[in-house]
Amino acid sequence: AQKVTQAQTEISVVEKEDVTLDCVYETRDTTYYLFWYKQPPSGELVFLIRRNSFDEQNEISGRYSWNFQKSTSSFNFTITASQVVDSAVYFCALSEGGGADGLTFGKGTHLIIQP
Amino acid sequence: GAGVSQSPRYKVAKRGQDVALRCDPISGHVSLFWYQQALGQGPEFLTYFQNEAQLDKSGLPSDRFFAERPEGSVSTLKIQRTQQEDSAVYLCASSLAAGSYYNEQFFGPGTRLTVL
Repeated sequence: AQKVTQAQTEISVVEKEDVTLDCVYETRDTTYYLFWYKQPPSGELVFLIRRNSFDEQNEISGRYSWNFQKSTSSFNFTITASQVVDSAVYFCALSEGGGADGLTFGKGTHLIIQP
Repeated sequence: GAGVSQSPRYKVAKRGQDVALRCDPISGHVSLFWYQQALGQGPEFLTYFQNEAQLDKSGLPSDRFFAERPEGSVSTLKIQRTQQEDSAVYLCASSLAAGSYYNEQFFGPGTRLTVL
């Protein structure tokens, strides 16, 4: 069975610091997809990125970057020069098989950016 | 509309009442998912539709939970004889295609259900 672990329950940093959110996953499938979602206080989940198991290239999008390592079953998310607007709960999620299945979410990391 | 919409946004029910939660997916999206999010937890999968077909209902916690999508667009999640443990936010998501491409799920704002 699949599982996603986000060991960091809450992280608090001062604005402009870099911060990394950890995600470790478990799956028996060779084909799977990994996702990150942001949930601001308003409650709506916002899609950030999707990665498939065959693509281990790291990705950078503005201040966001993702490090996918199959050897350690990790898909970590780094925010560079954090801003107060980054404060939210961040979820890592996994989808097995063809990618059309329901997502298995971690418990989330509550990120607090202090001004 | 531009995104997934859900109604009502908030619902208070007395224990034992039946409730119906509505989801309007993004137009043209084939797949529709329901999740339950308890306070302080990640969303948990309930059920999945591809068009009007319910392909997976393994996450429904009991036979009091029922979902339908009769015309392959709007979906309704019904909870019969609500219990206090049903209190949660119910999230609906849709994705464009059924296969591996365009499988990003876009979420609605959720319905917060409180059972007294």
